Amino acid sequence: GESVGLHLPTLSVQEGDNSIINCAYSNSASDYFIWYKQESGKGPQFIIDIRSNMDKRQGQRVTVLLNKTVKHLSLQIAATQPGDSAVYFCAENKKDSSYKLIFGSGTRLLVRP
Amino acid sequence: ETGVTQTPRHLVMGMTNKKSLKCEQHLGHNAMYWYKQSAKKPLELMFVYSLEERVENNSVPSRFSPECPNSSHLFLHLHTLQPEDSALYLCASSQDTSRSEQFFGPGTRLTVL
Repeated sequence: GESVGLHLPTLSVQEGDNSIINCAYSNSASDYFIWYKQESGKGPQFIIDIRSNMDKRQGQRVTVLLNKTVKHLSLQIAATQPGDSAVYFCAENKKDSSYKLIFGSGTRLLVRP
Repeated sequence: ETGVTQTPRHLVMGMTNKKSLKCEQHLGHNAMYWYKQSAKKPLELMFVYSLEERVENNSVPSRFSPECPNSSHLFLHLHTLQPEDSALYLCASSQDTSRSEQFFGPGTRLTVL
């Protein structure tokens, strides 16, 4: 069935190091993927997206990589800062409905000072 | 801030109460969404409105009743809820229901006693 899952529920990194958050998806027909960040007491905030015709997309300090062969998505955060501490969700676009996003359960990123 | 506001931020209600959650978006978007976020579960899409018409009712119990009086406002009317309905209820909006970025509000933390 269709599902989006995360490999690790919690990731702890040292401030200044790079962070990599991984996500697996099962629907090979999905063609749009998004990463959201959710800080405590706030709603999810869009970080970056990628379409299936791309393998990599870069933003400010963030890079999303898409490996369609193994149906894997990752979010890389460069020079992780304390403000990056949050729960990160990946989401995929449901193949037959453009607005339906299937969200993963989230990975909590903890940044050690 | 994302341009999507929700009130109240916290709500405690008994199972026999009737209450309403309110969402307002200041982004000029045409689509609005209600999501439920439970502990340790992925975000669940509940309802979708496009240009004030409901386009999705994702098998949500009738004790949840949405209302969209105009493209900027969205309500979720609650009645005879169950304790398992306790969750964070998130509102989101997007330019339209195509695969576009969804902007989330901060959510209403609902506790049903």
